[in-house]
Amino acid sequence: DAGVIQSPRHEVTEMGQEVTLRCKPISGHNSLFWYRQTMMRGLELLIYFNNNVPIDDSGMPEDRFSAKMPNASFSTLKIQPSEPRDSAVYFCASSLKTGKDTQYFGPGTRLTVL
Amino acid sequence: DQQVKQNSPSLSVQEGRISILNCDYTNSMFDYFLWYKKYPAEGPTFLISISSIKDKNEDGRFTVFLNKSAKHLSLHIVPSQPGDSAVYFCAAKGSGNTPLVFGKGTRLSVIA
Repeated sequence: DAGVIQSPRHEVTEMGQEVTLRCKPISGHNSLFWYRQTMMRGLELLIYFNNNVPIDDSGMPEDRFSAKMPNASFSTLKIQPSEPRDSAVYFCASSLKTGKDTQYFGPGTRLTVL
Repeated sequence: DQQVKQNSPSLSVQEGRISILNCDYTNSMFDYFLWYKKYPAEGPTFLISISSIKDKNEDGRFTVFLNKSAKHLSLHIVPSQPGDSAVYFCAAKGSGNTPLVFGKGTRLSVIA
């Protein structure tokens, strides 16, 4: 299995621009998670989906952040407009279900907003 | 409010010695605990887990201990190897369909 796939691996953009991060979960997994990693806050859960339905988006920092999962094999995290404080590594993870199943993480997208 | 705390940002250990990484939690509803390991430029990978009905789980060189009364868990690596150098995240979850809550991580450096 290819594992969780994220693209792009690196993104550098200017403040005010729209950024779209992409994730392909492991085939057959029903739960998908978006995390953000920063030095100050560690690994924060932004939003998670079960069977393509958003369950909890309370971790999404602001209305500038939105996430979609149009089908079982694809999800996007969009930031519009982006700000320098959004600079972080964004991880996508998937699991068979949200319970005690192991979460498998993608390699992350390093976002830099200038 | 941090529900999962890893109070040591970093730890250095000599090769062959024991590494002990600590984690404290505040939510008494947590009943399942995990450790993830992360190398630079990679995503975290699952290492070991423990259910609240146990106080110890061992997998090769890795052992996780859980002290429910103290709301504390620890990861022991014996013997430590240079390849163990990574950031270790403690995570916890409650029962049912709830997500993991992660600590901020501890960077372990194993010195040859």
